[in-house]
Amino acid sequence: AQSVSQHNHHVILSEAASLELGCNYSYGGTVNLFWYVQYPGQHLQLLLKYFSGDPLVKGIKGFEAEFIKSKFSFNLRKPSVQWSDTAEYFCAVNAGYGNKLVFGAGTILRVKS
Amino acid sequence: DAMVIQNPRYQVTQFGKPVTLSCSQTLNHNVMYWYQQKSSQAPKLLFHYYDKDFNNEADTPDNFQSRRPNTSFCFLDIRSPGLGDAAMYLCATQGTSGGTGELFFGEGSRLTVL
Repeated sequence: AQSVSQHNHHVILSEAASLELGCNYSYGGTVNLFWYVQYPGQHLQLLLKYFSGDPLVKGIKGFEAEFIKSKFSFNLRKPSVQWSDTAEYFCAVNAGYGNKLVFGAGTILRVKS
Repeated sequence: DAMVIQNPRYQVTQFGKPVTLSCSQTLNHNVMYWYQQKSSQAPKLLFHYYDKDFNNEADTPDNFQSRRPNTSFCFLDIRSPGLGDAAMYLCATQGTSGGTGELFFGEGSRLTVL
């Protein structure tokens, strides 16, 4: 069975600081990898996704993530965070079409202005 | 335009009073999912439909049922809500064969149990 672990449950940063959120998954086969964001009081929105090809994936709002197969990792990065990035971030994995999406526990990011 | 629509957005019910949440989609996707998300927790899969085939997660309580009368609609029935069932319920769809496996989420239905 697939599982996803996110290393930090709460992260507090000042504006303009760099961000890296860790995500590791366990699954032996080919996987699709996702980062979703949930702003306060809103629904889940897709930030970025990896299916194949270039392991460095760029998403919306200046976010990017790097898939490192040997480490089973898919860490999310942003060079300079803004107050508006305050949200909860979920890493998720599935084994492709028709397979359920398994979420990590989430990381709550608070950006201080 | 919203592609996965959940109703109601907010539902308040009394302990033990049945509740039905609905989900409709305009994407013509084969797969539909229901997730439960409690405060500060990851979404937890309750069940999903692959076309009309129903797949229940092993740890989904019997209190939770689902119906999918056609491709566009899916319902979540909670037969006797308890205080522990207060949560956000998320509906999601997944595209056709050969696709990338991305899920499209609705805005959720927040259930309060008094």
